Amino acid sequence: NAGVMQNPRHLVRRRGQEARLRCSPMKGHSHVYWYRQLPEEGLKFMVYLQKENIIDESGMPKERFSAEFPKEGPSILRIQQVVRGDSAAYFCASSPASGGPNTQYFGPGTRLTVL
Amino acid sequence: AQTVTQSQPEMSVQEAETVTLSCTYDTSESNYYLFWYKQPPSRQMILVIRQEAYKQQNATENRFSVNFQKAAKSFSLKISDSQLGDTAMYFCAFFIIQGAQKLVFGQGTRLTINP
Repeated sequence: NAGVMQNPRHLVRRRGQEARLRCSPMKGHSHVYWYRQLPEEGLKFMVYLQKENIIDESGMPKERFSAEFPKEGPSILRIQQVVRGDSAAYFCASSPASGGPNTQYFGPGTRLTVL
Repeated sequence: AQTVTQSQPEMSVQEAETVTLSCTYDTSESNYYLFWYKQPPSRQMILVIRQEAYKQQNATENRFSVNFQKAAKSFSLKISDSQLGDTAMYFCAFFIIQGAQKLVFGQGTRLTINP
């Protein structure tokens, strides 16, 4: 029973490039969450998606960041024209349904470094 | 706004000792869940223990237990018979059942278990 998968684990980009982070939820999970962890800080919520729907993107920066969770395939967090401040660990979590006692299970994270 | 505060940035104890990590939170909601997550050097987020706010009985998972004081909005984690493998960052978090589907994390406590 594979857990939440994220790739790549490490990503290096130069300023101005695009970063694409992928997340495959656990089998049977249809809800995906993205969190960002800046150095020496806790995780901060970015976006919550279900298949083909963005449910809550209140934590997403208004520009350059977008997320999708298509009917087929992994969820993608896309950062356009990256800047040094985007350097962080990005975690994906999944859960089987919204509300209730459903616990979010985390992937190993993608560490993005912007040069 | 919901907030989580972990007032101990770092703690250090000897192997086999008992250690308690503090967490306080602020919310006007009455129905929520509380979690402790562990983040070892691998950076993987690992669920340690979960507490439903409507339950008065404190949750226990092997050597890990919580002291949940709802009126005081306090949720401390006790680790008994600490082991070297317990060395990690520990994050307290809560989840509002009827609200936005996201975890709100504290800043973390860096716990070191010394041999």
